[in-house]
Amino acid sequence: GNSVTQMEGPVTLSEEAFLTINCTYTATGYPSLFWYVQYPGEGLQLLLKATKADDKGSNKGFEATYRKETTSFHLEKGSVQVSDSAVYFCALSDVQAAGNKLTFGGGTRVLVKP
Amino acid sequence: SAVISQKPSRDICQRGTSLTIQCQVDSQVTMMFWYRQQPGQSLTLIATANQGSEATYESGFVIDKFPISRPNLTFSTLTVSNMSPEDSSIYLCSVRGQGLAKNIQYFGAGTRLSVL
Repeated sequence: GNSVTQMEGPVTLSEEAFLTINCTYTATGYPSLFWYVQYPGEGLQLLLKATKADDKGSNKGFEATYRKETTSFHLEKGSVQVSDSAVYFCALSDVQAAGNKLTFGGGTRVLVKP
Repeated sequence: SAVISQKPSRDICQRGTSLTIQCQVDSQVTMMFWYRQQPGQSLTLIATANQGSEATYESGFVIDKFPISRPNLTFSTLTVSNMSPEDSSIYLCSVRGQGLAKNIQYFGAGTRLSVL
């Protein structure tokens, strides 16, 4: 079956530091890949997505590239801010899976200190 | 994108009681889902809410415990029945399809449930 594995947190950084959150996946078909962000006390928001190999998703200074050869979709941001403190979820959607359901990773909590 | 309203946003309930959570979307959607997020955990799909028919439940979830309704393309309810402290979680409504961006799933803000 499909699965998503992401690095465990918490990740604690200083403001303006470089952030990387690793995400790898297994899928039976050709999935679309997503990063969602959950700010404290809120629901999930879509941060970025990529639908095919070598696509790069980007938003709010975050980037992730769909790497089929390494089955990875690592999230990066060059200079984090305190407001980036949140939980980040990597997810995949496999069109060949029944109902095209989202499969989530375990989430990575990021804390950015001033 | 979709505007998804969930009510209540949070509640504290007594053991053995039931709570019904409402999810209202500002546009018609094809798919509506209910997820559970236990404290410090990732999201687990409870069921897919089907319009006009019984919901499709994931392994480990049953209709008697989590009855779901979906009377139309913009509204669904999830009931958490006969609650116990283990049901303390965030419950999230999610939608996809119809007039929304292809293959993108949107989430409500969630209902934070504490069971005493």
